[in-house]
Amino acid sequence: GDSVTQMEGPVTLSEEAFLTINCTYTATGYPSLFWYVQYPGEGLQLLLKATKADDKGSNKGFEATYRKETTSFHLEKGSVQVSDSAVYFCALEGSQGNLIFGKGTKLSVKP
Amino acid sequence: DAGVTQSPTHLIKTRGQQVTLRCSPKSGHDTVSWYQQALGQGPQFIFQYYEEEERQRGNFPDRFSGHQFPNYSSELNVNALLLGDSALYLCASSLVAARPTGELFFGEGSRLTVL
Repeated sequence: GDSVTQMEGPVTLSEEAFLTINCTYTATGYPSLFWYVQYPGEGLQLLLKATKADDKGSNKGFEATYRKETTSFHLEKGSVQVSDSAVYFCALEGSQGNLIFGKGTKLSVKP
Repeated sequence: DAGVTQSPTHLIKTRGQQVTLRCSPKSGHDTVSWYQQALGQGPQFIFQYYEEEERQRGNFPDRFSGHQFPNYSSELNVNALLLGDSALYLCASSLVAARPTGELFFGEGSRLTVL
């Protein structure tokens, strides 16, 4: 069945460091792909999305490119801030129209 | 504009009991989905309601049931609670006409502890 695998955390970075969180997926066809973020004490929020191959989703300085040849959707940010500390979830749209999530990667950014 | 609201935020039950969790969707949304998020795991899809009917269901037993009301709010019921049902239960709302489906708006969740 469809699934998402993302890098294990936690990830600890210094402010202004470069961030990459790896995400690969297994699916039939070409589902829409998403990154959701969960800030402490808040609900999950959509960070960015891509609906077809080679699409680049971007928001708040974060980017991810839908790569069908490597079945990947890695999240990147050039310069992280303390306020980016959160748990990040990669997800794909399943055949039932639901979301299938990875296990999440906790990011801590130190000043 | 109120987002997705869930109640209660925390609750503790014992094995064998039953629990009801409630969700009010974001204003204007007509579809409600429920997810279970165990500690250290990603959310897992339980089911989705639209037009007061269960439209899709994930791999969860019949102990998990739900309801959607005419005002689009929803309840999740879990019977015969097991220790393994301890988790954060997330409600998400969306507009059925909006695509892609993954643009969900989540509440902060109801944290259930089963002792």
